[in-house]
Amino acid sequence: DVKVTQSSRYLVKRTGEKVFLECVQDMDHENMFWYRQDPGLGLRLIYFSYDVKMKEKGDIPEGYSVSREKKERFSLILESASTNQTSMYLCASTRIENTEAFFGQGTRLTVV
Amino acid sequence: AQSVTQLDSQVPVFEEAPVELRCNYSSSVSVYLFWYVQYPNQGLQLLLKYLSGSTLVKGINGFEAEFNKSQTSFHLRKPSVHISDTAEYFCAVSGTSYDKVIFGPGTSLSVIP
Repeated sequence: DVKVTQSSRYLVKRTGEKVFLECVQDMDHENMFWYRQDPGLGLRLIYFSYDVKMKEKGDIPEGYSVSREKKERFSLILESASTNQTSMYLCASTRIENTEAFFGQGTRLTVV
Repeated sequence: AQSVTQLDSQVPVFEEAPVELRCNYSSSVSVYLFWYVQYPNQGLQLLLKYLSGSTLVKGINGFEAEFNKSQTSFHLRKPSVHISDTAEYFCAVSGTSYDKVIFGPGTSLSVIP
């Protein structure tokens, strides 16, 4: 069974903390994505990567960075968490051809 | 740049009635089009996709969508909805390779018994 696994379902962090969200896929997919999901706004793309060490900014990259040192793992980093980064974060992966995205279960991050 | 518009944020419909969820996209290149569904407290799953070929695409749970290139639309339809179809539906677009996948804001479908 194909799988995209996010390391945490729920996280609570304090303002100013550095936060790491981890995502691992077992499908040997080339493309990986990080989105945040907010009510009424849908899924907004933060960053995506189409290869190891390659990354491209999405629509809302400010305040975030990413790391992809291995093909199966894509990390999202909040350098200094702020309350407006409280959200549901979704990781996804696809093959190069982008024919279907597979999603993790999401990480609900609360910044207090 | 690609973008997706879903004109209806909420659609209430009675059980066994037909439903159409609207999606329009903008892109300067050839695209793939998708509908994803998110049931309450669950992850996203693929409902159907258009890659090429026939413009009428059939998906799971009796849903279908029609790709209209001239109107840049990809509307989702079901002839008779069930209570279990209550969910959030997302339209998405991507380029054919090495490209981002962009989602619309979503349509919340509520089926009323």
